[in-house]
Amino acid sequence: DAKTTQPNSMESNEEEPVHLPCNHSTISGTDYIHWYRQLPSQGPEYVIHGLTSNVNNRMASLAIAEDRKSSTLILHRATLRDAAVYYCILRITSYGKLTFGQGTILTVHP
Amino acid sequence: NAGVTQTPKFQVLKTGQSMTLQCAQDMNHEYMSWYRQDPGMGLRLIHYSVGAGITDQGEVPNGYNVSRSTTEDFPLRLLSAAPSQTSVYFCASRGVQELNSPLHFGNGTRLTVT
Repeated sequence: DAKTTQPNSMESNEEEPVHLPCNHSTISGTDYIHWYRQLPSQGPEYVIHGLTSNVNNRMASLAIAEDRKSSTLILHRATLRDAAVYYCILRITSYGKLTFGQGTILTVHP
Repeated sequence: NAGVTQTPKFQVLKTGQSMTLQCAQDMNHEYMSWYRQDPGMGLRLIHYSVGAGITDQGEVPNGYNVSRSTTEDFPLRLLSAAPSQTSVYFCASRGVQELNSPLHFGNGTRLTVT
């Protein structure tokens, strides 16, 4: 499976935008980029996914580099509730097997 | 909406005891799976199922059994608990009609084996 690299941790202030990077230089042409997050004491929850074009939903935006070797999850206005571990994942197989890396721990300061 | 429900939330076992972790979903999802999460290890897939009567092994299946008699339920059985099975266990489900439909996770069962 293609590997992803994320920073171990990032910090932000409340109400400010947050850009969470992910490198995936070995991505294949058919790999989708998925983001999940895990709040303390909860299971992971889906955030967003995309293939080539930038994507927006009610939670976040996903910006994908033109060569697809990197992507950025954008939280437009961080809230305290956004403090979580964010996972960038490639290739959900037809059976939904996700390979989770270590993710990025996001701390949001009031 | 209940989504994915896991019981119990917490469990303490002695080495050698057996138990079943329950997982139920009310979204009519064909695919269900079990992960364990350990510090510094991320989530690792234990077993998964793509429909009633069909199960298969994931990355770390040893010491665990599963069965899928209904679409809704996917229990995970520990036949003889070992301290190495101390972990947080997550059940997840998704529909399979669309390849990128999201996984829905339960809130986990925290298991301690002494």
